[in-house]
Amino acid sequence: LAKTTQPISMDSYEGQEVNITCSHNNIATNDYITWYQQFPSQGPRFIIQGYKTKVTNEVASLFIPADRKSSTLSLPRVSLSDTAVYYCLVVIDTGRRALTFGSGTRLQVQP
Amino acid sequence: EPEVTQTPSHQVTQMGQEVILRCVPISNHLYFYWYRQILGQKVEFLVSFYNNEISEKSEIFDDQFSVERPDGSNFTLKIRSTKLEDSAMYFCASLDRALYGYTFGSGTRLTVV
Repeated sequence: LAKTTQPISMDSYEGQEVNITCSHNNIATNDYITWYQQFPSQGPRFIIQGYKTKVTNEVASLFIPADRKSSTLSLPRVSLSDTAVYYCLVVIDTGRRALTFGSGTRLQVQP
Repeated sequence: EPEVTQTPSHQVTQMGQEVILRCVPISNHLYFYWYRQILGQKVEFLVSFYNNEISEKSEIFDDQFSVERPDGSNFTLKIRSTKLEDSAMYFCASLDRALYGYTFGSGTRLTVV
């Protein structure tokens, strides 16, 4: 599976939009990009998944350029409760294979 | 919203003892997983289970570990002869047929003393 690289940490303030970019240069044709959120002492929580262009749900948007070598998770108007670790993962199209988590991006939202 | 339920939330055991961690996956899901996270480290895959058999396992999942789905609803992880380094959060997850994200449980914090 393609290796992912994302910033170790980010800081933001309440009400701001946060964009976390992930690079996955070796992504394969059958791979999808998926993002999870993890709060301390809790299991990861699925946020969003996409293949190309833009995907939006009630929580976030995911932007994937045409070459698919990177992706950007966009969190609109963050609040203190969005403080968490965010993981970018590449998954094979069946989606059933083991997930390989990296270190993620630790987002700290301040008042 | 359907949840994956794990019990107990915290288990303390003595080194060398056996522990069983329990999970109730979402009822219509068919694929089940165990992951672990040692404090301050990455979430690591242990094993996946489908159609009553292991479909994939990591090198961590050696003979010390076993999984079972004894009654069609519970999914258990047994750790035999626990070691200090088995101390971690253990997460159960399940997945349905569609290409959507896993649902993880809240985890069991295992402390081996």
